[in-house]
Amino acid sequence: GNSVTQMEGPVTLSEEAFLTINCTYTATGYPSLFWYVQYPGEGLQLLLKATKADDKGSNKGFEATYRKETTSFHLEKGSVQVSDSAVYFCALSDGGLMTSYDKVIFGPGTSLSVIP
Amino acid sequence: EPEVTQTPSHQVTQMGQEVILRCVPISNHLYFYWYRQILGQKVEFLVSFYNNEISEKSEIFDDQFSVERPDGSNFTLKIRSTKLEDSAMYFCASVGTASYEQYFGPGTRLTVT
Repeated sequence: GNSVTQMEGPVTLSEEAFLTINCTYTATGYPSLFWYVQYPGEGLQLLLKATKADDKGSNKGFEATYRKETTSFHLEKGSVQVSDSAVYFCALSDGGLMTSYDKVIFGPGTSLSVIP
Repeated sequence: EPEVTQTPSHQVTQMGQEVILRCVPISNHLYFYWYRQILGQKVEFLVSFYNNEISEKSEIFDDQFSVERPDGSNFTLKIRSTKLEDSAMYFCASVGTASYEQYFGPGTRLTVT
């Protein structure tokens, strides 16, 4: 079945460091891909999304490019801040654009701590 | 900006008791979901709901679980006889027709003792 794999955490970075969180997926169709963020004690927030190959999603300095050839959707940020400390979930919705209301399948999450 | 709300934020119950978790989806949304996250683990799909019936459910969603949309605004998840392993954060989500983005609520933390 469809699944998402992402790098194990926790990840600890110094402020202003470059961030990469790797994510790969397995899907039979043409999924939409997402990154969700969960700040301590809070719910899930959509950080960015991409709906088709080569799309780049971006938000708040974070970026991820939908790479169909490598089935990847790595999250990057050029300069992290302490306020970016959170758990990041890579996810897919396996219906893609044709059946847009399918469930979201989440990866295990990567905990990021940014220290001053 | 419209948002999904959930009540209560934290529910403590004894094993074997029934609990009802409540969600108010975004008003013009038509598709509704429940997910759960056991502490420290990944978010898992439980059930999706459309047009007053279940569209899909996971193997987690057994006979102890049920969902209902009792009126035009609420969407509920009932657990008939809670077990210790039901302790988790439960998230509600909804989707409209303008986009396929699922909007998540803040979650209800269920603690079964």
